[in-house]
Amino acid sequence: EAGVTQSPTHLIKTRGQQVTLRCSPISGHTSVYWYQQALGLGLQFLLWYDEGEERNRGNFPPRFSGRQFPNYSSELNVNALELEDSALYLCASSKRSGGRGYEQYFGPGTRLTVT
Amino acid sequence: GESVGLHLPTLSVQEGDNSIINCAYSNSASDYFIWYKQESGKGPQFIIDIRSNMDKRQGQRVTVLLNKTVKHLSLQIAATQPGDSAVYFCAETYGGATNKLIFGTGTLLAVQP
Repeated sequence: EAGVTQSPTHLIKTRGQQVTLRCSPISGHTSVYWYQQALGLGLQFLLWYDEGEERNRGNFPPRFSGRQFPNYSSELNVNALELEDSALYLCASSKRSGGRGYEQYFGPGTRLTVT
Repeated sequence: GESVGLHLPTLSVQEGDNSIINCAYSNSASDYFIWYKQESGKGPQFIIDIRSNMDKRQGQRVTVLLNKTVKHLSLQIAATQPGDSAVYFCAETYGGATNKLIFGTGTLLAVQP
């Protein structure tokens, strides 16, 4: 069974630009989560999508947005990039069992560097 | 803000010894806890979980202990191996259909041969 995949692996952008990161969940998983992992810090919850809808959002500004497609893949968009957006962006997926998809399986991440 | 903290940012152990990684959580309403392992260049990998109605759960070479009285979580790794070297994160979530995991900052486990 293929795991969670993310693209691209690495990305370098300049301040003010926009970026789109992509994630494909494990087959059969309907929930997709996005996390930001800045250097030396833990994972910060960004967004949760399930069945095409945004279900929850972390404490991030509106320039962080995303969407989930009918095939359950997802995109994370970041507008007006700032230097502090440099981080590893991790996508995770889970089944939505009983309303709470506890076991989240992570992809390898996209390393974003903003210069 | 929301946080799950770790007592020790770095833990160095000898191969074959047992390791104990500790975690303090702040929300007494948290009802589910997970330990993840993150190796360099990879995403976090699920290790073991525990619900708040339990105080101990065992897996293969790993045991998680939960002390709700003091809001403390620990991960015990038996016979630590070089392949166990990684950053370990505890995470919590609480009631409601949020599916939002709150992660700690991580503990680096370094296994010395």
